[in-house]
Amino acid sequence: SAVISQKPSRDICQRGTSLTIQCQVDSQVTMMFWYRQQPGQSLTLIATANQGSEATYESGFVIDKFPISRPNLTFSTLTVSNMSPEDSSIYLCSVGFADTQYFGPGTRLTVL
Amino acid sequence: QQQVKQSPQSLIVQKGGISIINCAYENTAFDYFPWYQQFPGKGPALLIAIRPDVSEKKEGRFTISFNKSAKQFSLHIMDSQPGDSATYFCAAGDSGGYQKVTFGTGTKLQVIP
Repeated sequence: SAVISQKPSRDICQRGTSLTIQCQVDSQVTMMFWYRQQPGQSLTLIATANQGSEATYESGFVIDKFPISRPNLTFSTLTVSNMSPEDSSIYLCSVGFADTQYFGPGTRLTVL
Repeated sequence: QQQVKQSPQSLIVQKGGISIINCAYENTAFDYFPWYQQFPGKGPALLIAIRPDVSEKKEGRFTISFNKSAKQFSLHIMDSQPGDSATYFCAAGDSGGYQKVTFGTGTKLQVIP
């Protein structure tokens, strides 16, 4: 299995600021995924991050708003830029490992 | 993203009863169908998964039934317990996409004593 940790676990931010979320995995993985889960809703894929290349974004998500870094095979960051209250969500990091997808505990973001 | 439809949205079951959650998908390229369990404040955790080469998979009290021709699959929780109270997500994925999955809308299960 893969164990995933995320920092911070939660944060309250002001409109117009940016927050960087860190994701650390205990195993080397090729692909990492970032999801958003709005309150009481399902998970929506934001982007797929492959080490050494640009992240691939899903429809409705853009790099300027959600820049992603993937400096090595165990770490990734997601930045939520120029935040608005609509960005209040849980952000989850995920990896595909040994034919299974594992999720981190999530970062609960509240934007005031 | 391809759609995965899930029902019901919420479910209340008596302790000891059977909980049944249904999902349907559209993309015939999907070949991996996991179910995730999520408790409040936690990330989703893989519960059980099935591939289309079998019609049923059982792990303890949890069973997935899969109907390839109908493009439907379901989760059955036998002898439901209050500790099973959580939100359940079905998902579907294409193994060619490095296990990236598309999630259903979720079912909030409450098991009452």
